Amino acid sequence: GAVVSQHPSRVICKSGTSVKIECRSLDFQATTMFWYRQFPKQSLMLMATSNEGSKATYEQGVEKDKFLINHASLTLSTLTVTSAHPEDSSFYICSAHPGAGVTEAFFGQGTRLTVV
Amino acid sequence: GENVEQHPSTLSVQEGDSAVIKCTYSDSASNYFPWYKQELGKRPQLIIDIRSNVGEKKDQRIAVTLNKTAKHFSLHITETQPEDSAVYFCAAWIDQAGTALIFGKGTTLSVSS
Repeated sequence: GAVVSQHPSRVICKSGTSVKIECRSLDFQATTMFWYRQFPKQSLMLMATSNEGSKATYEQGVEKDKFLINHASLTLSTLTVTSAHPEDSSFYICSAHPGAGVTEAFFGQGTRLTVV
Repeated sequence: GENVEQHPSTLSVQEGDSAVIKCTYSDSASNYFPWYKQELGKRPQLIIDIRSNVGEKKDQRIAVTLNKTAKHFSLHITETQPEDSAVYFCAAWIDQAGTALIFGKGTTLSVSS
């Protein structure tokens, strides 16, 4: 199947700093990628839809100035958590659909963010 | 937008028993319904999926049923094994560009031997 690679898998940062997470589609082009956040023992909650070459679409309650999304190419979307705080500690995961008749969504490995 | 409800939140069964997890969705335009198994700290793994033009699909010990009229779908696992213990998520999706999977809240399945 298609491959989505996410980096880093784990990151620890200090409060007030920013962290960038990359999501790459390795063998297909993705005009759209999706970012989810998962708190412990909870479900995957859609944060935003990343659109290549245009602004991301954020879900209600997600601060666009805090979670900056850039989708500058057809294979790369980045999520930057700005001015991170301990409550931003979570599992962040991206996904993409290859399209072209492939329905299945493919997920990155996820990033465990810990803000201390 | 789409809303997916999943029940139960936890399910404990004995090895060899069957397990059933149920989901309902709200958007009648949804036409693809995957089920994922997720182990702690890992990405979700697709275990089975069904499209809206099909009522039932089976893959060895796993089956999914879909009732489009009632807008609900279910996961059935037969002859459960301890390695089936994990968190299971249902999801719904509208098969069109730019739409995201919407997940249920998850079911923690525990299979005891």
